[in-house]
Amino acid sequence: AQSVTQLGSHVSVSEGALVLLRCNYSSSVPPYLFWYVQYPNQGLQLLLKYTSAATLVKGINGFEAEFKKSETSFHLTKPSAHMSDAAEYFCAVLTGNQFYFGTGTSLTVIP
Amino acid sequence: DTEVTQTPKHLVMGMTNKKSLKCEQHMGHRAMYWYKQKAKKPPELMFVYSYEKLSINESVPSRFSPECPNSSLLNLHLHALQPEDSALYLCASSQVQGGTYEQYFGPGTRLTVT
Repeated sequence: AQSVTQLGSHVSVSEGALVLLRCNYSSSVPPYLFWYVQYPNQGLQLLLKYTSAATLVKGINGFEAEFKKSETSFHLTKPSAHMSDAAEYFCAVLTGNQFYFGTGTSLTVIP
Repeated sequence: DTEVTQTPKHLVMGMTNKKSLKCEQHMGHRAMYWYKQKAKKPPELMFVYSYEKLSINESVPSRFSPECPNSSLLNLHLHALQPEDSALYLCASSQVQGGTYEQYFGPGTRLTVT
């Protein structure tokens, strides 16, 4: 069975600081990996996805993620946090025909 | 157009009511999904429709009844719900089921069962 682990259910960063949200997956085959963001009372919005092309994936809103097979990781980063980045972030793995979501990380940005 | 729309935005219903949630997409996607999401939790898959046929039912109670009238519409019929069914119900669509295709999510319906 596939699984996704997001370390840190809550992350706080200062405005302008680096954002790092961690995601590790377990998969016996190369996975397809996604990061979604959810703002309060809204649906999920795709930030970026990895589908076995370039290992460094750039997404919307200045976010990027690097696929590291040796570490089974797909961490999400942004060089400089903005107040509007405060939201819930979900890592997901797609294998076969089903998405498996991580438990989510709530990002707080401190002014 | 990469939008999935859901109506209503909010719904309050009693345990004896019958109501329906609606979802629509015009992206030509042939897979559509219903998820249930509790506060601060990831979405939980309920149903998957592939080419208008139910392909996955994640052991959802029969008080939830999905329907896919055509390739653009997805409904979720609700009857005799319980207070623990209160949640955000999300609809999503993707080009096809599986592959590398991401899912596009609607804004959700916030359901409260009293």
